[in-house]
Amino acid sequence: SQKIEQNSEALNIQEGKTATLTCNYTNYSPAYLQWYRQDPGRGPVFLLLIRENEKEKRKERLKVTFDTTLKQSLFHITASQPADSATYLCALGGGSNSGYALNFGKGTSLLVTP
Amino acid sequence: NAGVMQNPRHLVRRRGQEARLRCSPMKGHSHVYWYRQLPEEGLKFMVYLQKENIIDESGMPKERFSAEFPKEGPSILRIQQVVRGDSAAYFCASSVQGGQSEAFFGQGTRLTVV
Repeated sequence: SQKIEQNSEALNIQEGKTATLTCNYTNYSPAYLQWYRQDPGRGPVFLLLIRENEKEKRKERLKVTFDTTLKQSLFHITASQPADSATYLCALGGGSNSGYALNFGKGTSLLVTP
Repeated sequence: NAGVMQNPRHLVRRRGQEARLRCSPMKGHSHVYWYRQLPEEGLKFMVYLQKENIIDESGMPKERFSAEFPKEGPSILRIQQVVRGDSAAYFCASSVQGGQSEAFFGQGTRLTVV
């Protein structure tokens, strides 16, 4: 069955450093991958989408890579700020065995300390 | 432009009662998705609807759960004869198109079954 893995341990980094979050998947060939941010008690907020034929996508301080050979996506936040502290979710969609659903990982909690 | 509106934000039901969760998508969005999030779990897809049609309900339990998205009015997720295991956060998302387009999530309805 499809499996999406994100680091279950929280990531603690110092303000100004680059945060790197990992999303690995197995038994799946998604057509695209999305990253969302979720704050406690709130709904997920869309950040970036990257398609299977794209290697890298950038938006302001955010960068996403997508390696379909390794079945892995990396999500980078450069010059991190305490306001970046949240849970980050990776979600995969499309592909022959996905239907219309986004399949989410459990998320990685990021804490940026001043 | 208001975002995706879900109500109620919190809902408490006794075992055996019915729960009705409402979702008004963003203006101009005709695609609605429902997801369930259990504590310490990722978001799980339940159902995907377009106006008046259920497109994919592969993630929804066969019994007690139903969803609709009428021509007029909000989308409704209905859970009959609730049990303790139904306690979770239920999120609705909407998009302009299905598939790869960005999904906008509501703030969720937190259902507690006592």
